[in-house]
Amino acid sequence: QAVVTQEPSLTVSPGGTVTFTCGSSTGSVTTKHYAFWFQQKPGQAPTTLICDTTNKPSWTPARFSGSLVGGKAALILSGAQPEDEADYYCLLVYGGVVIFGGGTQLTVL
Amino acid sequence: EVQLVESGGGLVQPGGSLRLSCVASRFTFSSYWINWVRQAPGKGLEWVANTRPDGSDKFYVDSVKGRFTISRDNAKNSAYLQMNGLRVDDTAVYYCLSGAGYWGQGTLVTVSS
Repeated sequence: QAVVTQEPSLTVSPGGTVTFTCGSSTGSVTTKHYAFWFQQKPGQAPTTLICDTTNKPSWTPARFSGSLVGGKAALILSGAQPEDEADYYCLLVYGGVVIFGGGTQLTVL
Repeated sequence: EVQLVESGGGLVQPGGSLRLSCVASRFTFSSYWINWVRQAPGKGLEWVANTRPDGSDKFYVDSVKGRFTISRDNAKNSAYLQMNGLRVDDTAVYYCLSGAGYWGQGTLVTVSS
């Protein structure tokens, strides 16, 4: 079974840019992995930021974007806000089976 | 407002059963995969199972194969997770997640004697 890897923690300054990555133990992540990105704040259900690698639901703030970078799925946050402090999770799809990454704790400091 | 609402959680003894429900409103439920995702206390998200829009294929994480069954009824905009042979390590908040990106609020399943 594949393992999906994320940075355990990241720190960004207010107004700064940070990139989260989502890698696969099976090799390069492609659009066929249909990467999703989620944000979860303490005590709340997750919310979806990115679907299918790059697609943004209507509720996702413009400062978030998704892409493929260096063989990994990436979530880019440009212009971080204090309210972006949260846990961020990715998932990848392997022919129907879904695997989540371990999550990244983002500190805005 | 789009909603996914889970229900059916509760306290159950090891070896017991529960059936979770997820009811969708205000989006085309039948067009998307539906997933069940769980989160144990203080832990990350874990995918549990999913099914295609027409319910023709179903996939499970290894730890629940043979014990959990996912199903859906598109006429009722609903998905279900039948959980049998529950174990203490199944204790978690269970969420439904649509392929459209919508999440429910979660329902807590506690397996304890």
